[in-house]
Amino acid sequence: KAGVTQTPRYLIKTRGQQVTLSCSPISGHRSVSWYQQTPGQGLQFLFEYFSETQRNKGNFPGRFSGRQFSNSRSEMNVSTLELGDSALYLCASSYTVTGGASGANVLTFGAGSRLTVL
Amino acid sequence: GQSLEQPSEVTAVEGAIVQINCTYQTSGFYGLSWYQQHDGGAPTFLSYNALDGLEETGRFSSFLSRSDSYGYLLLQELQMKDSASYFCAVLYNTDKLIFGTGTRLQVFP
Repeated sequence: KAGVTQTPRYLIKTRGQQVTLSCSPISGHRSVSWYQQTPGQGLQFLFEYFSETQRNKGNFPGRFSGRQFSNSRSEMNVSTLELGDSALYLCASSYTVTGGASGANVLTFGAGSRLTVL
Repeated sequence: GQSLEQPSEVTAVEGAIVQINCTYQTSGFYGLSWYQQHDGGAPTFLSYNALDGLEETGRFSSFLSRSDSYGYLLLQELQMKDSASYFCAVLYNTDKLIFGTGTRLQVFP
């Protein structure tokens, strides 16, 4: 089955612009999480959506927002871009919410969208 | 707050055994996961420990000690393709996940 698809894979923006990234989860997966990855910082959690509702949010400013559609596809938006927003943005999907009753929290990640802010 | 610590880099030679440690400070701990990420690739799930002890999956094993807030990933019979970054991740408060900063493993011939 198809994996997690993220678009675009690469993009370059300038400070002050905004960007929208898209994520299509694995078919049947209802939970989508977003992470920011920068060298030396690991994966920083942005937010998680389940059934179109934001369930968890990380410690990022309000410039970072997201949403999930009825077909589980998700988008994240970053407004008023800053140089420090340059990063790899990863989307991950799972069948249930992270953890959930099953315990194991297996996330399937997409290849990411690499954003460069000039 | 929640925090995880793992070494930034580990080196080893082909055929050797390497252990990547992860210590954590979290409240509401549920379990510890490990993910592998090759350069330019997506992180992929390796293992999950909710209970104390060792879980073995082929050449990889993962260990958890809840009383010590400590876990490790053990890689045996190292191969060049094991060169990658390895992330531990703690599941806490039922549905929250935090990742460590990653350990870069370099395997030399």
